[in-house]
Amino acid sequence: GDQVEQSPSALSLHEGTGSALRCNFTTTMRAVQWFRKNSRGSLINLFYLASGTKENGRLKSAFDSKERYSTLHIRDAQLEDSGTYFCAAEDGSSGNKLIFGIGTLLSVKP
Amino acid sequence: GALVYQYPRRTICKSGTSMRMECQAVGFQATSVAWYRQSPQKTFELIALSTVNSAIKYEQNFTQEKFPISHPNLSFSSMTVLNAYLEDRGLYLCGARDLGAAETLYFGSGTRLTVL
Repeated sequence: GDQVEQSPSALSLHEGTGSALRCNFTTTMRAVQWFRKNSRGSLINLFYLASGTKENGRLKSAFDSKERYSTLHIRDAQLEDSGTYFCAAEDGSSGNKLIFGIGTLLSVKP
Repeated sequence: GALVYQYPRRTICKSGTSMRMECQAVGFQATSVAWYRQSPQKTFELIALSTVNSAIKYEQNFTQEKFPISHPNLSFSSMTVLNAYLEDRGLYLCGARDLGAAETLYFGSGTRLTVL
């Protein structure tokens, strides 16, 4: 099965609200990255975590290698937050390759 | 800051022909370069991982004969899609990192391949 299970696949939020995206891993991962794909198709780095939590503005991410999951919290969502979000986990036993989740399509509405 | 430039942004090729895409790392040393493909309705799939001074490692279902990769120095990598067919269409991304410094993988903007 898939090593990185990302949920939800789609999420709709009203402006000013928040929610969380989650990635579960079937094996122990060394690190995780979160990206947002912008309207031009570019992957924008949001976070890199080897452990613990990081916060940047209205985004906060956590990674627990032992419990095999990572989350991305969005608060006070804005229209420009819309896009597709991906988590990608690093399987340290496979030469640092990133395994991507399926992505979450976030739509923020007025 | 660290940037990865990838070109072309879009390309269209006839079935059976080949196309080459390139990546340039700026602001850091790309000791490791990974090439991914996102096919329609799918997530990003690793094609191969290239590390300086090591052999290029291809994932299952991808071969050097079909996707030859060059990584001649710490700032440049290229990949060619040989004999492209409909199933090769999608968004190709290169991601680069400096294994000796920051762990973050930086991605280019992608090359969208359309095969006619």
